[in-house]
Amino acid sequence: GEDVEQSLFLSVREGDSSVINCTYTDSSSTYLYWYKQEPGAGLQLLTYIFSNMDMKQDQRLTVLLNKKDKHLSLRIADTQTGDSAIYFCAESRNTGKLIFGQGTTLQVKP
Amino acid sequence: DVKVTQSSRYLVKRTGEKVFLECVQDMDHENMFWYRQDPGLGLRLIYFSYDVKMKEKGDIPEGYSVSREKKERFSLILESASTNQTSMYLCASRPSIGGRGREQFFGPGTRLTVL
Repeated sequence: GEDVEQSLFLSVREGDSSVINCTYTDSSSTYLYWYKQEPGAGLQLLTYIFSNMDMKQDQRLTVLLNKKDKHLSLRIADTQTGDSAIYFCAESRNTGKLIFGQGTTLQVKP
Repeated sequence: DVKVTQSSRYLVKRTGEKVFLECVQDMDHENMFWYRQDPGLGLRLIYFSYDVKMKEKGDIPEGYSVSREKKERFSLILESASTNQTSMYLCASRPSIGGRGREQFFGPGTRLTVL
């Protein structure tokens, strides 16, 4: 995942907001994604944003896209212990491939 | 619900053995993918397949091969396993058109240890 960068770890208290950041390199990416991986499980699509959008909100999740800086963020409002997981940012390429970041481990303390 | 299953959750093999990892999806998806996941490196694409009997190299194909004889099944083969192939292997599938933002559906993963 050298083309998509994420910080590796984030710790927050239950009830606080979490913000996970990601930078990508391919300005022609059509879609950008956030996947969630719970312990011992595969990845599940959490949300995605089309490249011509700046923001997408889905219940407690807000995705912000800054195309000029190639920066993507995921905000989780009112973070719960069940949100503890690894979060992967990914960009789609014209070939159909997904390029993933290293994953950010979110730890939610009670 | 889309279901992607992988033949084993955990596998232990010896150096030099031939290893088969099987992946089956039940949603008639054309595209299938094999990734390996390593801490701090995220997911890296090994091989993918656009359709039956088609295959394309991903970013790290060395030491691996694949087989797609039937649409629902995509196999990853380690011809001669080595210790640096100890990893979590994830299979994914998606339809060639449509879906939520070209979403890929993932299996639960196979944790392979090569001794």
